[in-house]
Amino acid sequence: EDQVTQSPEALRLQEGESSSLNCSYTVSGLRGLFWYRQDPGKGPEFLFTLYSAGEEKEKERLKATLTKKESFLHITAPKPEDSATYLCAVRGQAGTALIFGKGTTLSVSS
Amino acid sequence: KAGVTQTPRYLIKTRGQQVTLSCSPISGHRSVSWYQQTPGQGLQFLFEYFSETQRNKGNFPGRFSGRQFSNSRSEMNVSTLELGDSALYLCASTPSGSGANVLTFGAGSRLTVL
Repeated sequence: EDQVTQSPEALRLQEGESSSLNCSYTVSGLRGLFWYRQDPGKGPEFLFTLYSAGEEKEKERLKATLTKKESFLHITAPKPEDSATYLCAVRGQAGTALIFGKGTTLSVSS
Repeated sequence: KAGVTQTPRYLIKTRGQQVTLSCSPISGHRSVSWYQQTPGQGLQFLFEYFSETQRNKGNFPGRFSGRQFSNSRSEMNVSTLELGDSALYLCASTPSGSGANVLTFGAGSRLTVL
């Protein structure tokens, strides 16, 4: 059974304090690992898709990396506007649904 | 380009009632997926429709059902509501139902069951 576990559940950072969020997964035939950001009262917003181990993608202060068992979302010098819940999801074999982790809620204070 | 539109945004029902939620996907998108989001369980997959056919179904009781129309708009229905059905129901669309396409989500319908 495809499974996604995110840690930590919650993370509090000071503005400028870099850190990483973890997403561990087990899936049969990975066809994509996705990172989303969700703000309160809104639907998840797409950030990145990673397809194979060793792949990296960057967007502003965010960088996502992928290994065969986990993905990391690195946040460099975060700002208060980076506060949100970050969700990780995997798609396994063809025709299967996107399976989400429970998310990491990030709070960045100034 | 309009995004995914979900209606209603908020609704309150009582136990035993039924509810219908609507989702209009991005123009040109033919696949619609539904998820239930709760604080304890996170996002859980309900079902996926592609070209009016259910392609996938999650592990939810038969009280949860859905359908898709020829214009790709989708509805989901929950009958005999229970307190535990209180959740944010999210709809997402993709151009097609195959591959590793990115899901684009709507803002959700917040259901409260009293």
